[in-house]
Amino acid sequence: EDQVTQSPEALRLQEGESSSLNCSYTVSGLRGLFWYRQDPGKGPEFLFTLYSAGEEKEKERLKATLTKKESFLHITAPKPEDSATYLCAVGANSGYALNFGKGTSLLVTP
Amino acid sequence: DTGVSQDPRHKITKRGQNVTFRCDPISEHNRLYWYRQTLGQGPEFLTYFQNEAQLEKSRLLSDRFSAERPKGSFSTLEIQRTEQGDSAMYLCASSLTQQDNYGYTFGSGTRLTVV
Repeated sequence: EDQVTQSPEALRLQEGESSSLNCSYTVSGLRGLFWYRQDPGKGPEFLFTLYSAGEEKEKERLKATLTKKESFLHITAPKPEDSATYLCAVGANSGYALNFGKGTSLLVTP
Repeated sequence: DTGVSQDPRHKITKRGQNVTFRCDPISEHNRLYWYRQTLGQGPEFLTYFQNEAQLEKSRLLSDRFSAERPKGSFSTLEIQRTEQGDSAMYLCASSLTQQDNYGYTFGSGTRLTVV
């Protein structure tokens, strides 16, 4: 069965303090690994799709990387507006669903 | 078209009542998904439509739940005989076929409270 585990559950950073979020996964036939950002009371907002080990994608202060077992979301010099819950999900070749982790709640303080 | 629209945003219902939610996807998107999210958890897949065909259903979708997408446009999710455990955020998302590079576009959800 597909599994996605995210760590840490919560992370508090000072503005400018870089860090990484972890997503460990098991899946039979990876179709893609997805990162989303979710603000309170809103639906998830798409950030990245990664397809194969070694792939990297960047967007502003965020950089996502992928290995065969894990993905990392690196946040460089975060700002308070980066505060949100970051969700990781995997899609398998065998279906259409995404299997989400519980998310990492990030708080960036000034 | 400003994105995926869900209605209502909030619904409070008494246990045992039926409720129906509506989702209007982005107009050119042929794929539509329903997910359920409870506090502190990630979204859980419920069902998937490609155009008007319902192609996949989760084990979570008990016989009290039914979803439709007539004519491949908007979709409805109905829950019959609601239970307190049905209290959650119900999220709708849409996407274009073979456009995983762009992920899904989620709506803001319908928050259901069963009292």
